Amino acid sequence: AQSVTQLGSHVSVSEGALVLLRCNYSSSVPPYLFWYVQYPNQGLQLLLKYTSAATLVKGINGFEAEFKKSETSFHLTKPSAHMSDAAEYFCAVSEGPTGANSKLTFGKGITLSVRP
Amino acid sequence: DTGVSQDPRHKITKRGQNVTFRCDPISEHNRLYWYRQTLGQGPEFLTYFQNEAQLEKSRLLSDRFSAERPKGSFSTLEIQRTEQGDSAMYLCASSLVGPTLGETQYFGPGTRLLVL
Repeated sequence: AQSVTQLGSHVSVSEGALVLLRCNYSSSVPPYLFWYVQYPNQGLQLLLKYTSAATLVKGINGFEAEFKKSETSFHLTKPSAHMSDAAEYFCAVSEGPTGANSKLTFGKGITLSVRP
Repeated sequence: DTGVSQDPRHKITKRGQNVTFRCDPISEHNRLYWYRQTLGQGPEFLTYFQNEAQLEKSRLLSDRFSAERPKGSFSTLEIQRTEQGDSAMYLCASSLVGPTLGETQYFGPGTRLLVL
C-alpha cells in the first residue's frame, strides 16, 4: 500500500521568497514520485518526477525536488516565488520499477499563495 | 498532440439520473485512467485501462459506476442513479507505457459533476 502526506493545507510566501512544499511518502516497494500543479478549474500539470535516477530532479518553471530515501521525503522547492506560482500543488506516488501497479496515489494538496 | 480532452466540462443533474462522461486520450497512448477529486482533496484512483482491457477497479467504485474503452481509444465513464455524494471533478489521464522508465500520466481538464 502507498500513501502521501502533505503537511499543511496552505502556504503563503512573499514574491521573491523561497518556496518549500513538503511531501512524505510511504511505499512497500521503491517508488516513483511526482509533483503536479493545478490551477483553478483546470486539470493537473506535471511539474517533475523522480524515477530512480538522479535524486535531485529539476522540473518546469524553476521548481526542483530532492528524493531522500532515509527521510521518505520528496519536498518541492523554488528559490524565488512568482505571482504566477499561486496554485494548488499535489505530490503523488506510484509503484516504481519493481512494482506492477502504476496508479497514482495523491496527497491532499497544498494551496500556495504569493503575496506582492 | 492536442492533449487529453474531456466532455462535457460541466454537468448538472438531478439525483437518480444517469450521466456519461467521455475522455479522449492523447493519440497512441495505450493507458487511460479515471480519477475522482472532491473539494479540498487530491484525486482518487477509480479505474484504468490498457488498450481495451480494464485492468483494475478501485474498491471506491460502486456498482453504479461503469467504464468502457471499446476500441482502445476514447473512454466513457457512466454513473447510474446518481447520488449527491457523486458530486466531484472527474479527471481522465493517459500515458504511453514503453521501455523507458517512469510512466507519465497526462491529465485532461476534468468534468465537474453537480448532483442536485
